Amino acid sequence: DAEITQSPRHKITETGRQVTLACHQTWNHNNMFWYRQDLGHGLRLIHYSYGVQDTNKGEVSDGYSVSRSNTEDLPLTLESAASSQTSVYFCASSEGDGGRAFFGQGTRLTVV
Amino acid sequence: DQQVKQNSPSLSVQEGRISILNCDYTNSMFDYFLWYKKYPAEGPTFLISISSIKDKNEDGRFTVFLNKSAKHLSLHIVPSQPGDSAVYFCAASLYGGATNKLIFGTGTLLAVQP
Repeated sequence: DAEITQSPRHKITETGRQVTLACHQTWNHNNMFWYRQDLGHGLRLIHYSYGVQDTNKGEVSDGYSVSRSNTEDLPLTLESAASSQTSVYFCASSEGDGGRAFFGQGTRLTVV
Repeated sequence: DQQVKQNSPSLSVQEGRISILNCDYTNSMFDYFLWYKKYPAEGPTFLISISSIKDKNEDGRFTVFLNKSAKHLSLHIVPSQPGDSAVYFCAASLYGGATNKLIFGTGTLLAVQP
């Protein structure tokens, strides 16, 4: 079965370190997204991609970057981790169908 | 500026009764709306959607109503079951979902009491 997987599931890192969260989907979807979930804010869009070599900033992109070198993967990099980036991160993919997106199980990131 | 709003952080309902979750939006260009359900430690899962050309969509126990003039949609769950206890997110997209960029609300935690 097609799926979307995130790794690691949990990560603790120190302030100032570079961190990369992985996202891999086997749906063969062109569209991929990164969201963060925080209490009181719901799910906020960080970055998204509509295909290989395409990346776009979402509403909370500062301090994050993504790259899309193939259809299956969209890694999210925190250039210099800050405590404000402690959150749960979700990757999603979709292909038309009225915006319906499939989500990974999430990565809980703690920056200490 | 929150374009999609869920003003009720939580809702408690008795098993067998109706659960009504509400969502308001500000951008009149949104033309596709979705509800997602999220259990703890899991990713959100798609529940039901509605296009702006409709005012109602039903799937089993779940019905979504859209009032475009009021920029309001609601999710009805009848009858509610304990397994429905989860966080429910409302989401909206533009251009018939073609861009697939979803804007989410803040979520409502539904607790269904046995």
